[in-house]
Amino acid sequence: QQPVQSPQAVILREGEDAVINCSSSKALYSVHWYRQKHGEAPVFLMILLKGGEQKGHEKISASFNEKKQQSSLYLTASQLSYSGTYFCGTLTGGGNKLTFGTGTQLKVEL
Amino acid sequence: DADVTQTPRNRITKTGKRIMLECSQTKGHDRMYWYRQDPGLGLQLIYYSFDVKDINKGEISDGYSVSRQAQAKFSLSLESAIPNQTALYFCATSEGTRGNTGELFFGEGSRLTVL
Repeated sequence: QQPVQSPQAVILREGEDAVINCSSSKALYSVHWYRQKHGEAPVFLMILLKGGEQKGHEKISASFNEKKQQSSLYLTASQLSYSGTYFCGTLTGGGNKLTFGTGTQLKVEL
Repeated sequence: DADVTQTPRNRITKTGKRIMLECSQTKGHDRMYWYRQDPGLGLQLIYYSFDVKDINKGEISDGYSVSRQAQAKFSLSLESAIPNQTALYFCATSEGTRGNTGELFFGEGSRLTVL
């Protein structure tokens, strides 16, 4: 079942912070985060594993709450280059395939 | 050259035609995937393969078939294309261990239009 992302879209001014949430109805083994710029392929940001947290990218970090089956992506001091659509992908217990959310469109303006 | 290469990048075809999208990779990964992207729906898994002899259906496999010709090649076929298969298709690869999947590396995408 597809994870739910919120918000669906957000507009920021350069330098502002944002949080993108991803929640699942199933127990999660790990969560992936990807960013896709318009007309391009998705690019990996980070993986969060059950029982741990892994920071993978500049001023972007994430948390993973196993009990709530949720993950949040934190973008601090946003830059114009952060604009794009952010997807979470969830891996449920016993599964080996990622199920992606519908995405959060983020736009950073001057 | 790209690590994950998809051909063709763009294709326009007619209803009922057979279409094949090809994917090749130089990353040496065993795992390969085909995803479909529609506006507002995110990425939906069509088929995935963990090695040449292991092929599995994803969330939306109806109307599609795949072939894993070698570790480096994974093809997606539409036997009889229909207009609602108009979408952007991505091939991806990853490493993985039992019960987990590593970072996905995506190809540049194949945009298919079915008239």
